[in-house]
Amino acid sequence: NAGVTQTPKFQVLKTGQSMTLQCAQDMNHNSMYWYRQDPGMGLRLIYYSASEGTTDKGEVPNGYNVSRLNKREFSLRLESAAPSQTSVYFCASTDPGQKNEKLFFGSGTQLSVL
Amino acid sequence: GDSVTQMEGPVTLSEEAFLTINCTYTATGYPSLFWYVQYPGEGLQLLLKATKADDKGSNKGFEATYRKETTSFHLEKGSVQVSDSAVYFCALSPQAGTALIFGKGTTLSVSS
Repeated sequence: NAGVTQTPKFQVLKTGQSMTLQCAQDMNHNSMYWYRQDPGMGLRLIYYSASEGTTDKGEVPNGYNVSRLNKREFSLRLESAAPSQTSVYFCASTDPGQKNEKLFFGSGTQLSVL
Repeated sequence: GDSVTQMEGPVTLSEEAFLTINCTYTATGYPSLFWYVQYPGEGLQLLLKATKADDKGSNKGFEATYRKETTSFHLEKGSVQVSDSAVYFCALSPQAGTALIFGKGTTLSVSS
């Protein structure tokens, strides 16, 4: 049972570099999400995709872009990384027919921007 | 806007102690309420949920009751174990098709 798979698990970037965080789910979920987790801030929503072909901004979208490549995959791109983007990033998915209940989370990507 | 407020941690308890983690919410409609748990090095996973007022969610000895009159969803466990050490997040779902809103999380540390 793979569930939600995120890659990479760890990444160190220099300021200004770009990278893409990958996320894939094998549960046939329509909705997918990207959150960032920071100490004392909890989880904050960056972007979400309610269904294939749609994406919407969350609470903290600045500096990020997303692509819903197909129903399985939802990637998060940092075009020009900044130290403020040092965080742990979580991808999640759910079946919206359940009123967004039971989000399934990946194991996270720990990103450091120097 | 809708929001969730949790008690700040860390909460440090001895094994077999009683646990309460407070959670209150602000919402305009009738949200569903959740507790998620994050064990070290892992993603979050659903612990329990309640979808309407007076519902009680329960799982693994943890309980929480949806109190609309006090806008609260406090997490309780009668006897904690070392294996319960984790970060606990209260969350709400405002309405169908919207993303979950999380509290800031409460770290629980249980010692033997």
